[in-house]
Amino acid sequence: ETGVTQSPTHLIKTRGQQVTLRCSSQSGHNTVSWYQQALGQGPQFIFQYYREEENGRGNFPPRFSGLQFPNYSSELNVNALELDDSALYLCASSRDGPLDTQYFGPGTRLTVL
Amino acid sequence: ILNVEQSPQSLHVQEGDSTNFTCSFPSSNFYALHWYRWETAKSPEALFVMTLNGDEKKKGRISATLNTKEGYSYLYIKGSQPEDSATYLCASLNAGNNRKLIWGLGTSLAVNP
Repeated sequence: ETGVTQSPTHLIKTRGQQVTLRCSSQSGHNTVSWYQQALGQGPQFIFQYYREEENGRGNFPPRFSGLQFPNYSSELNVNALELDDSALYLCASSRDGPLDTQYFGPGTRLTVL
Repeated sequence: ILNVEQSPQSLHVQEGDSTNFTCSFPSSNFYALHWYRWETAKSPEALFVMTLNGDEKKKGRISATLNTKEGYSYLYIKGSQPEDSATYLCASLNAGNNRKLIWGLGTSLAVNP
């Protein structure tokens, strides 16, 4: 157990809908990173939040957005869902960014129909 | 290379065999290399974070080496056990990469009893 939790565990949405995924980071960690893992692919970096500000972004369109709260928990929002958004979404928390070990949550499996 | 590449893509070994696989990463402006183990139905688990050329790290029967000048890292497993069956992922951090880890696609290891 890493102490990182994600909700929900599974989610089914239809094209065009919006979704919010949640992540609670491990105690003492101020950085949260979000990843998308499509079937047969390695994790793809979506973005990272450090002390409530976006602190790095991968090659994802603006309809992928996020928030980090004062308690360092985080949300990933995806608007106008597309079929290709079906994937496992992982969040990882670390003490201070990508030099530190990242502790992953169990993931949210999103299916877009 | 611009991406992180891992080889082989998959590996089947017998219990007791020793094995190794490779992670190749951009050598320019290298900052850190991460190794993770991802077992089915679990979250990725950190194995090592390596930063220094020539560094060697060990965790039980698993060890890793790092060559930052030529941009590769080897992961070794001595005396493989069925519980070592997992996907082994590496991720590289290079300065100026907007603080994002670039992930390989992983090596899937199956250890037959």
